[in-house]
Amino acid sequence: GAVVSQHPSRVICKSGTSVKIECRSLDFQATTMFWYRQFPKKSLMLMATSNEGSKATYEQGVEKDKFLINHASLTLSTLTVTSAHPEDSSFYICSARRDLPGRSTPPLHFGNGTRLTVT
Amino acid sequence: GENVEQHPSTLSVQEGDSAVIKCTYSDSASNYFPWYKQELGKRPQLIIDIRSNVGEKKDQRIAVTLNKTAKHFSLHITETQPEDSAVYFCAARLNSGGSNYKLTFGKGTLLTVNP
Repeated sequence: GAVVSQHPSRVICKSGTSVKIECRSLDFQATTMFWYRQFPKKSLMLMATSNEGSKATYEQGVEKDKFLINHASLTLSTLTVTSAHPEDSSFYICSARRDLPGRSTPPLHFGNGTRLTVT
Repeated sequence: GENVEQHPSTLSVQEGDSAVIKCTYSDSASNYFPWYKQELGKRPQLIIDIRSNVGEKKDQRIAVTLNKTAKHFSLHITETQPEDSAVYFCAARLNSGGSNYKLTFGKGTLLTVNP
């Protein structure tokens, strides 16, 4: 089945540093990927939609200068948390949309998530 | 935008019993409703989905029902097993006519199946 790989799975960084998280679709091309943030025991909050070759679309309230998204190829999207602060500590998950011929509701495949801890 | 409410937030059942999780959505233009299962620290996994042109769908012990008039949909798990224990999320996709495929998630239900 379709696999989405997300790295790293865990990262600890110091306040003020930047962290890059990668999301790769391993066996299919994904023109669209999504980035979510999940707080403990909470739901998935969509942060932004990443489109290959164009600028990401951010949800209301998400700082685009803080959460930089790059979708440079059909199999890779990256999320960079810039100048991280302790309040950015969270679980970040990506998903990739797998377009299939004749399928009006293409399936989403999720990465395993990245646990970010900012000290 | 779309708003999805999910109940209950926690559900505890005995092994073999049935479990029902309910969701409501606000925008009648939503046309696709998936359910995800997420085990602790792992990725959400799609377990079943339903489109707005269907009222019910079943896959072995899992079924989903949709009432478009009332704008609510439910997940039914029969003969629950301990391995069904996880957080379950409902979601709704607004048919905006575009290709973005944005899902709005419910807040999740922590299901615990006691052996």
